[in-house]
Amino acid sequence: DTGVSQDPRHKITKRGQNVTFRCDPISEHNRLYWYRQTLGQGPEFLTYFQNEAQLEKSRLLSDRFSAERPKGSFSTLEIQRTEQGDSAMYLCASSPPGSGANVLTFGAGSRLTVL
Amino acid sequence: AQSVTQPDIHITVSEGASLELRCNYSYGATPYLFWYVQSPGQGLQLLLKYFSGDTLVQGIKGFEAEFKRSQSSFNLRKPSVHWSDAAEYFCALQAGTALIFGKGTTLSVSS
Repeated sequence: DTGVSQDPRHKITKRGQNVTFRCDPISEHNRLYWYRQTLGQGPEFLTYFQNEAQLEKSRLLSDRFSAERPKGSFSTLEIQRTEQGDSAMYLCASSPPGSGANVLTFGAGSRLTVL
Repeated sequence: AQSVTQPDIHITVSEGASLELRCNYSYGATPYLFWYVQSPGQGLQLLLKYFSGDTLVQGIKGFEAEFKRSQSSFNLRKPSVHWSDAAEYFCALQAGTALIFGKGTTLSVSS
């Protein structure tokens, strides 16, 4: 068990570019979550997958954001046409079957800087 | 509305002194409450959680928290702080499939 892995750990991009983050959850975890953390704030929920199904999306997830989990294993979070307001830490978390948000294991996060 | 408030943005404590970090919540039912710690470059680590039962909850690293329904509070305590406890601490409330986090309290430890 290597924990929740996120890649890349840091990404600097110019406004208007697209970026993609990857999350590899703990192998036996079927539930996967994305959160966003901006400077001076706590993490905010973005979206939730159970296996490959995206079951919940926050209003924070604008139409420029898309998340996928095609085979119920790793997940990607893509941001199109990035804006400076997208600069944040993007956190991924996973939890085992039968549990929920009360048994989350978080990754170290992917920090995005939009210039 | 569901919310979590951490009134203290930054706290400095001397090494060996006791610590209390405050957390207040707003929720319409019995809350599930959590404390997480975040160190630079590391993910959020769960310190402890409260679901029901005993209102004094023990966690890892010598931390404990007390749930007080009458005060809508879930304060985190540690009797003797170590330099390695310097980090950011987040209180969180479960709302469905999501956690609602407070803005965090940064703990500095002075020698």
